[in-house]
Amino acid sequence: NAGVTQTPKFQVLKTGQSMTLQCAQDMNHEYMSWYRQDPGMGLRLIHYSVGAGITDQGEVPNGYNVSRSTTEDFPLRLLSAAPSQTSVYFCASKRDGDTGELFFGEGSRLTVL
Amino acid sequence: GEDVEQSLFLSVREGDSSVINCTYTDSSSTYLYWYKQEPGAGLQLLTYIFSNMDMKQDQRLTVLLNKKDKHLSLRIADTQTGDSAIYFCAARDTGKLIFGQGTTLQVKP
Repeated sequence: NAGVTQTPKFQVLKTGQSMTLQCAQDMNHEYMSWYRQDPGMGLRLIHYSVGAGITDQGEVPNGYNVSRSTTEDFPLRLLSAAPSQTSVYFCASKRDGDTGELFFGEGSRLTVL
Repeated sequence: GEDVEQSLFLSVREGDSSVINCTYTDSSSTYLYWYKQEPGAGLQLLTYIFSNMDMKQDQRLTVLLNKKDKHLSLRIADTQTGDSAIYFCAARDTGKLIFGQGTTLQVKP
């Protein structure tokens, strides 16, 4: 099993450019989510999805879009990148019910110049 | 919504016990978690505790939950240099997980 796979691992953008961070999981998890990690701020939830066709906003959704057309994939789109979006982004998924353990990808480091 | 707070840094000597503390705001959180992040990696679940428990022990790890004070702690016995990492507390809020800021544990030989 690959688990949760994120691409790309590193990306440099210029202010105003758009891009998509990809996330795929092969564990048939219904729940998927995106977090950003910044020094001293911990992990903050951007968007999450409880199943295909359903998405919702987390703590810091502004400047980001998501969609969930399949169970496996949950891409995160930056519409017009800003330096404040420089961060490490993590995708995570979990099964419904039981303990709710989140399985994380390895992260995508994004720099916006 | 849920808010989770942790201190940012803890330094201990190898062989000592480490205690990492966390507070949360939503008393209806059903599960509380401790995750570990090693450099350059994603987070991995260390342990969790259900809200109707006061304590959970798992080898060198002891989790204490004080529901009245909404306080969670993680004790690592006989701390080793390999325990150096960032430790995140998380609370379950209507299905989603809310994380604290993370505590960087530095273990000195």
